[in-house]
Amino acid sequence: DIVMTQSPDSLAVSLGERATINCKSSQSVLYSSNNKNYLAWYQQKPGQPPKLLISWASTRESGVPDRFSGSGSGTDFTLTISSLQAEDVAVYYCQQYYSTPYTFGQGTKLEVK
Amino acid sequence: EVQLLESGGGLVQPGGSLRLSCAASGFTFSSYAMSWVRQAPGKGLEWVSGICGSGGSTYYADSVKGRFTISRDNSKNTLYLQMNSLRAEDTAVYYCAKDFFYNWNDDGGGRFDSWGQGTLVTVSS
Repeated sequence: DIVMTQSPDSLAVSLGERATINCKSSQSVLYSSNNKNYLAWYQQKPGQPPKLLISWASTRESGVPDRFSGSGSGTDFTLTISSLQAEDVAVYYCQQYYSTPYTFGQGTKLEVK
Repeated sequence: EVQLLESGGGLVQPGGSLRLSCAASGFTFSSYAMSWVRQAPGKGLEWVSGICGSGGSTYYADSVKGRFTISRDNSKNTLYLQMNSLRAEDTAVYYCAKDFFYNWNDDGGGRFDSWGQGTLVTVSS
């Protein structure tokens, strides 16, 4: 199984500041034949189900604000929120869909400082 | 608008059984793979089981293989999870989730673009 490890476990950022969350996979999730990274990011607000934010490591889903961006390749990935808003308080998960079982990171809790 | 509504959760004793249901609407149910993803209290997400659009192909995590059975009734737009031999470690909120594609194993499948609100399963004596 591919193990996904996120850092940090929790993060406090001031409103308007940048938030950066890291995700590392135990093996590459880059498929060489199409040069795509099979990595997604989800946001889970308290009491709600997860919401898909980003696919293919860097492609924002429809309706996701452009302050959210994803980057990275192979085994190392980053979710960046360029200017934190109050509504971004949530737990963020990375997920690999390169091979089964599809696995998630342990989550990063983002709070306002 | 896609809607997924889970039901069937509750308190069950270790070794007991429970059947979860997920009623789907707002999309062509039979055209998409569906999955169950669970979240233990205060913990992260675990993909438990997946089923392709026709129901002919299924997947189970090792943690539930042989105890859980996923199925679907496309005439009723409903997904099921039969859970037998339940253990304390199965205690979790169980989410029904819609895949992007017909099969969870399709290229780019295994991502979930819609989720239900979840149903809580508590296994305790």
